[in-house]
Amino acid sequence: DGGITQSPKYLFRKEGQNVTLSCEQNLNHDAMYWYRQDPGQGLRLIYYSQIVNDFQKGDIAEGYSVSREKKESFPLTVTSAQKNPTAFYLCASSIGWGAEAFFGQGTRLTVV
Amino acid sequence: AQTVTQSQPEMSVQEAETVTLSCTYDTSESDYYLFWYKQPPSRQMILVIRQEAYKQQNATENRFSVNFQKAAKSFSLKISDSQLGDAAMYFCAYRSGSDNTDKLIFGTGTRLQVFP
Repeated sequence: DGGITQSPKYLFRKEGQNVTLSCEQNLNHDAMYWYRQDPGQGLRLIYYSQIVNDFQKGDIAEGYSVSREKKESFPLTVTSAQKNPTAFYLCASSIGWGAEAFFGQGTRLTVV
Repeated sequence: AQTVTQSQPEMSVQEAETVTLSCTYDTSESDYYLFWYKQPPSRQMILVIRQEAYKQQNATENRFSVNFQKAAKSFSLKISDSQLGDAAMYFCAYRSGSDNTDKLIFGTGTRLQVFP
């Protein structure tokens, strides 16, 4: 089945460690997105990519980094510079202009 | 910059009744797309309905319909014959159709409770 896979579903890390969240899609979509979801704040855009080897910062990019070396993959690294990394992270992809986005099941990151 | 506002943090409705969720947005663009997404307790985001700004006709998907008022920059979602399975968070979203950024921007959401 085509879809978006995020892994792992739950992730625990110690404070000060970098951690990478995986996002893979087999929908042949060009655009991919990373969102952070906190209670009462909806989905906030971290990074997005419209094409391989290119990506742009969203509204809350500080403390995060991404890469887009393959069309299918858009991993997100939460660095130690992110001051409050505990959150629910959603990855999405879209075929192009004006099309709806399809979402993965999310990763719950807890930093202790 | 574009913004999306959902002014109702929570709403409730009786089963089989109708409820309307509000969404307003701010943009200087004339070409864009609007969406409503549903997020049940599983947290999986599900597309409910999509509206192109250049279309005057309001989109409809079964029990879900929108009231799109372009001049007022309003995009409300009407759920008819509400069912227990409609209980979820609902997010309004905006996507540019004319610039190069291709951002997809969400509102803060409305939690819908459905009572039997």
